[in-house]
Amino acid sequence: QSALTQPPSASGSPGQSVTISCTGTSSDVGGYKYVSWYQQHPGKAPKLMIYEVSQRPSGVPDRFSGSKSGNTASLTVSGLQAEDEADYYCSSYAGSNNFVVFGGGTKLTVL
Amino acid sequence: QVQLQESGPGLVKPSQTLSLTCIVSGGSISSGSYYWSWIRQPAGKGLEWIGRINTSGSTNYNSSLKSRVTISLDTSKNQFSLNLSSVTAADTAVYYCARWVTTWGHFDYWGQGTLVTVSS
Repeated sequence: QSALTQPPSASGSPGQSVTISCTGTSSDVGGYKYVSWYQQHPGKAPKLMIYEVSQRPSGVPDRFSGSKSGNTASLTVSGLQAEDEADYYCSSYAGSNNFVVFGGGTKLTVL
Repeated sequence: QVQLQESGPGLVKPSQTLSLTCIVSGGSISSGSYYWSWIRQPAGKGLEWIGRINTSGSTNYNSSLKSRVTISLDTSKNQFSLNLSSVTAADTAVYYCARWVTTWGHFDYWGQGTLVTVSS
């Protein structure tokens, strides 16, 4: 059982928007600004898409956005494209001992 | 451009020790505010953080694996290593090494991953 809770699947048609949630506790998501999101295509390493809740690394399309409210973080993908089909994992800093926790992952399908 | 590359045996026998090395290129492993981490992913499952080491050699481990894990740093070779003892089939997974950016709290660079199978 993962420390952070994500829906196992999400889907949308090309051009639509989809939001993936990530629920933790006040000891991780709710307690720190260090929430990040990773995209993983089959057989590939995870790729950073969002850090510090809502910051996009250089090269990540602005179709990807992040937010947080209380103990729940969210990733929104707007203007869905076929290449967005992948698994998405949220992650949160959880203090100096537990360090980092991950969500169980959400498989995003572009219909 | 920083690159990380895992290396080590792809097959380990039950009860033995799994040993992997992550070679870092494109930057010094001993500079900057980073933690060097190991993360694993069983087939079809999610990511699990194993442990981390900073540039001073200070370590932290996942409490569920703490009794079996050792992570070390070799600055002369610009690499860090993972040892996981007394392995079972449950330790079969793709193992990734990754760099954690302390200032902004995320993993920015990942290795490509290496599959380790525990089987006799």
